[in-house]
Amino acid sequence: EAGVVQSPRYKIIEKKQPVAFWCNPISGHNTLYWYLQNLGQGPELLIRYENEEAVDDSQLPKDRFSAERLKGVDSTLKIQPAELGDSAVYLCASSFVAGSGVFFGEGSRLTVL
Amino acid sequence: AQKVTQAQTEISVVEKEDVTLDCVYETRDTTYYLFWYKQPPSGELVFLIRRNSFDEQNEISGRYSWNFQKSTSSFNFTITASQVVDSAVYFCALSEAGGIQGAQKLVFGQGTRLTINP
Repeated sequence: EAGVVQSPRYKIIEKKQPVAFWCNPISGHNTLYWYLQNLGQGPELLIRYENEEAVDDSQLPKDRFSAERLKGVDSTLKIQPAELGDSAVYLCASSFVAGSGVFFGEGSRLTVL
Repeated sequence: AQKVTQAQTEISVVEKEDVTLDCVYETRDTTYYLFWYKQPPSGELVFLIRRNSFDEQNEISGRYSWNFQKSTSSFNFTITASQVVDSAVYFCALSEAGGIQGAQKLVFGQGTRLTINP
């Protein structure tokens, strides 16, 4: 069974440019998460979806970040415009409603120059 | 508020030694879940274990074992006979029990960087 798939793995952009990350969760997983991981830190939740509904977006900087999960499957996280401080790894994860764990993708590493 | 503390920032041992990674958590919830993840240099967070707060039995999986003690709010992870491939950053995480089972917000510790030297 395929795991959580993310793309791109790496992205380098100039500041003020837009960037988007895509995530395909494990098949059948209703809950999808986007986490931010800064260097040397543990991941921090940005947004959590249950099906297509964003149930926890309290830590998403809404002035420049947006996310969507159309049809309750794939999700896209966007940053516009990117700032130097946004350089980090963006992790997507999914879990089954009655499941045994939260499973992460390989992450998308963003570098803003 | 929920909090996870991994006091050991870095640990370095020689191969075949046993090593224990500490995790202490804080929560007001009576029902919660505890996790351990491994993050190798490739960056992916690899799920190792999920424990619910009602199950205090220790668990063993091959060379890995976990000791959950509610009395001390700890969920420690031991690797027996460590190997070079165990080198990674290990994260302990805590989540509340969501309204829908399995829908959880994970709060992570800062991680412990484990280096196994040949």
